[in-house]
Amino acid sequence: DAKTTQPPSMDCAEGRAANLPCNHSTISGNEYVYWYRQIHSQGPQYIIHGLKNNETNEMASLIITEDRKSSTLILPHATLRDTAVYYCIVRVQHNNNDMRFGAGTRLTVKP
Amino acid sequence: SQTIHQWPATLVQPVGSPLSLECTVEGTSNPNLYWYRQAAGRGLQLLFYSVGIGQISSEVPQNLSASRPQDRQFILSSKKLLLSDSGFYLCAWSRQGAGANVLTFGAGSRLTVL
Repeated sequence: DAKTTQPPSMDCAEGRAANLPCNHSTISGNEYVYWYRQIHSQGPQYIIHGLKNNETNEMASLIITEDRKSSTLILPHATLRDTAVYYCIVRVQHNNNDMRFGAGTRLTVKP
Repeated sequence: SQTIHQWPATLVQPVGSPLSLECTVEGTSNPNLYWYRQAAGRGLQLLFYSVGIGQISSEVPQNLSASRPQDRQFILSSKKLLLSDSGFYLCAWSRQGAGANVLTFGAGSRLTVL
């Protein structure tokens, strides 16, 4: 799996967009970008994934740069309940083996 | 729809006692199954994963073991617990193939070893 780099922590004001960056400069052509989040005392929750096109679902948007070396997870209107650790993971799609989580970014949404 | 059940939710065990955590998945077949541990204030550590009955891969050598006696059942065990085994244990499942990287986690089991 390609290595990812995320800032350790970020703050965001409630109601504003939260933009969480992820660097994956060694990503290969068949690797997807996956995002999860972990709210305190809960298991991680899948958010979204993409290959090269931007993706949007009910939770978030994923913007992947044209060269695919970085991506940004966007929470359009952050709420206090979005306070969590956000993980960016890069993997080939059909990988049935170990799924590892790095340190992630701790997002704190402030009132 | 698919559901994942994990129990017990919390337990307090003395050092040297055995451990058994159980995880079952409903509504799917032949899932990938995972056990993770999270120590207090730390990141997620992958302990075991399984792609089929009786197929267990261990990521970290330790006094824990895992078994998959049935397709949708994953058990984490220890014969003698250590203080360092305290933590939040999470079971997860994913589909095989294209959905392999979309994991769904259980509610977790919080273990305190005294």
